[in-house]
Amino acid sequence: EAGVAQSPRYKIIEKRQSVAFWCNPISGHATLYWYQQILGQGPKLLIQFQNNGVVDDSQLPKDRFSAERLKGVDSTLKIQPAKLEDSAVYLCASSLALQGVPYEQYFGPGTRLTVT
Amino acid sequence: GEDVEQSLFLSVREGDSSVINCTYTDSSSTYLYWYKQEPGAGLQLLTYIFSNMDMKQDQRLTVLLNKKDKHLSLRIADTQTGDSAIYFCAESINYGQNFVFGPGTRLSVLP
Repeated sequence: EAGVAQSPRYKIIEKRQSVAFWCNPISGHATLYWYQQILGQGPKLLIQFQNNGVVDDSQLPKDRFSAERLKGVDSTLKIQPAKLEDSAVYLCASSLALQGVPYEQYFGPGTRLTVT
Repeated sequence: GEDVEQSLFLSVREGDSSVINCTYTDSSSTYLYWYKQEPGAGLQLLTYIFSNMDMKQDQRLTVLLNKKDKHLSLRIADTQTGDSAIYFCAESINYGQNFVFGPGTRLSVLP
């Protein structure tokens, strides 16, 4: 079974530029998450999708971050414009169902963003 | 709001047991999890415990949950150098929503 794929793996941009990250979840996984992991911290949930609908985006800075999940499969996360404090690893995860026992998330390798 | 805390570092000798501790604030947590993150890799679920359980054992891993004190621990028996990684405690509030992760404990295993 293929894992969660993310691209690019690394990205360096200047502040005020735009950037987009792509995630392809495990086939059949209805739930998709985007996390931000700042160096030395745990992942912080940005947005959670169930199929192509948003379940939770309470911690997404909506003035500069946006995410979509077209057709309930792939997802993109965009930052426009980027700030220095957006430097982090952006992790995508997917899960089989919204309510499952056990509720296991499978994580991708992440995209490391550096904003200069 | 929810908050999960962990000690940041732990160092043990190979073959010893490791105990990683975590405290959380939200008493309505439904599941509590332990994830492992190796350098350059995503997180991997190690084990989980439902909030109505006190203990769960899975091979070398033992999870203890004290709901009264909101304290969770992960014990790794016979710790090996391959166990060196960052371990994250996490909670979910609504059966798969509102995931909150702790800052992670970096485990170093000395030969």
